[in-house]
Amino acid sequence: DIVMTQSPDSLAVSLGERATINCKSSQSVLSSSNNKNYLAWYQQRPGQPPKLLIYWASTRESGVPDRFIGSGSGADFTLTISSLQAEDVAVYYCQQHYGSPTFGQGTKVGIK
Amino acid sequence: EVQLVESGGGLVQPGGSLRLSCAASGFTFSSFSINWVRQAPGKGLEWVSYISSSSDIIFYADSVKGRFTISRDNAKNSLYLQMNSLRAEDTAVYYCARNLCSGSSCYSDYWGQGTLVTVSS
Repeated sequence: DIVMTQSPDSLAVSLGERATINCKSSQSVLSSSNNKNYLAWYQQRPGQPPKLLIYWASTRESGVPDRFIGSGSGADFTLTISSLQAEDVAVYYCQQHYGSPTFGQGTKVGIK
Repeated sequence: EVQLVESGGGLVQPGGSLRLSCAASGFTFSSFSINWVRQAPGKGLEWVSYISSSSDIIFYADSVKGRFTISRDNAKNSLYLQMNSLRAEDTAVYYCARNLCSGSSCYSDYWGQGTLVTVSS
């Protein structure tokens, strides 16, 4: 199985400041057939199910604010929240869907 | 509006069985593959099982293979997870999630609220 490792495990950012979450996969999740990275990001607010934010590593799901930015390729990916809002307090997970789906351990984002 | 509603969770003894259901509405259920994903209390997400739109392709995580069975009834817009030989480590909230796929690769765009399964004596 592909192992996904996120860093940091948690971070606290001031409102309006940038939050950056990293995600590394144990092997590349870039498809040679279509040049797409099979990497998604989810947000899970307390007591809620996960919500899809980003797919193909950088494509924002419909309705997701443009402050959420996905980047990276191959085995190294980043989710950036460009200007943290109070409603962004949540745990964020990366997931690869190149093979059997696996998730990172999650990164808890809070307010400083 | 896309809706997925899980049910069937509860308290069960180790070695027991439970059948989870997921009722879908707001989309053409028969056109989408579905995942079961679980989350142990205070822990991260773990994929459990996948079923294709026509039930011809099924996958399981190694942790549940041989004990869990996924199925669906497209006429009833419903998904199921039969869980046998349950263990304490199966304790989790179980989510059903609709997939969007490109070839054999899928990510989940809608998730239900989940149903809690507790395995304990």
